[in-house]
Order: sequence, then C-alpha cells, then structure tokens
Amino acid sequence: AQKVTQAQTEISVVEKEDVTLDCVYETRDTTYYLFWYKQPPSGELVFLIRRNSFDEQNEISGRYSWNFQKSTSSFNFTITASQVVDSAVYFCALSQGFQKLVFGTGTRLLVSP
Amino acid sequence: EPEVTQTPSHQVTQMGQEVILRCVPISNHLYFYWYRQILGQKVEFLVSFYNNEISEKSEIFDDQFSVERPDGSNFTLKIRSTKLEDSAMYFCASSEGEGALETQYFGPGTRLLVL
Repeated sequence: AQKVTQAQTEISVVEKEDVTLDCVYETRDTTYYLFWYKQPPSGELVFLIRRNSFDEQNEISGRYSWNFQKSTSSFNFTITASQVVDSAVYFCALSQGFQKLVFGTGTRLLVSP
Repeated sequence: EPEVTQTPSHQVTQMGQEVILRCVPISNHLYFYWYRQILGQKVEFLVSFYNNEISEKSEIFDDQFSVERPDGSNFTLKIRSTKLEDSAMYFCASSEGEGALETQYFGPGTRLLVL
C-alpha cells in the first residue's frame, strides 16, 4: 500500500533562512503522482505542485523548489529565503490508483521574524 | 479564479444528530471527493464520486456516511448519526479528470464538532 513519510514534525527557522521539508514515499505503482499542499493557520489546503513519476526534473517556482529523486523515493521541498507568511503545515501526498490521495502527517514550519 | 466552496465553515452538533455538509465544486470539474482531518492529524480520504455514483470509498466511509449530488452544482456529505469521533475538519475537493491525473483542488473545509 502507498505510504508517505514526513519525518520532520516541526521546523523552526528565522526569516531569510532556507529550509527543506523532506518527503519519502512508498509505492508499488510504476505510474504515480506526488503533490505538495500548504495548510496555513486558517485551515484550507492550498495546492503547490504536482509531479508525475516519469518527470524527475527539479522544479523552481519563485522561492519554492522541489527535488524529486526516484532512486531514493523522495520528493523534497525547499523554501529559499523564508518569510513569516510561509508559516504553515506542509503536506506531501501520493496518488493511490486514480481516485485517491494518500497524505503524509505533515511538517509544521514556523518562521519567526 | 474558480474555487471550491464549502458551507458551513463551522458546525456544532449533538451526538446522534444528522449533519449535512455542503460543497460547490469547480464548475467544469467532473470528479468530487471528501476527505477529513482529525485535529492535528493527517488528511484522510473518505470517498470519490463520479457520474452520480461512488467510485471509491475508504474503510472510514461506513453506512453512516452518504454522498449526493442533488443538483448540477452541489455535492453533499451526510453523516446520519454523528459520533464524538466524527469531530474533524471535512474537506471537499474536485478535479477535472481522474484524481491522480488531474490536480485535486480543495475547499476551505467545514469544521465539525460533535458534543
């Protein structure tokens, strides 16, 4: 069965520091999708990125970047020059079949001024 | 930008009562989902819905739960007889195509408290 592990429960950084959130997954599927969602204190889930298993290219979007490595089953997320507004819980998720997302337990990021 | 909406944002109910959580998915989306998040825990899949029927459900989604698309815009989750352990945030999501091929966009959630 699919499994997503986010070993970091909580990370605290000071503004402008870079921070990497780890995500390790397990799947037997040859085709699958990985996602990152952000959950700010207000509670909603905000989509950040989707990556399919055939595309190992790293992606950069502004201060955000993602490193997908199939060899280590990891899909890590880096925030460069963190800001207070980045404070949130970040969830990594993995597709199971075509209908379902399996979420990790989340990493709470606290960015202090 | 289109978004998924949910009502109410908060609901408090007594154990044993029925509740209906409402969602309006993004208008051109065809697949609909419910997830829940018990406070401080991870988000868990409940059910997916396509073409007016359930396409997949989890073991959490037992007989006390039901889903419906009563009209062309709303998608509802009914909990027939609420239990204390149903207290959670319930998220509706929708996607244009099948869940993993298309991104699931989530609503803001309904926080349900069962007393």
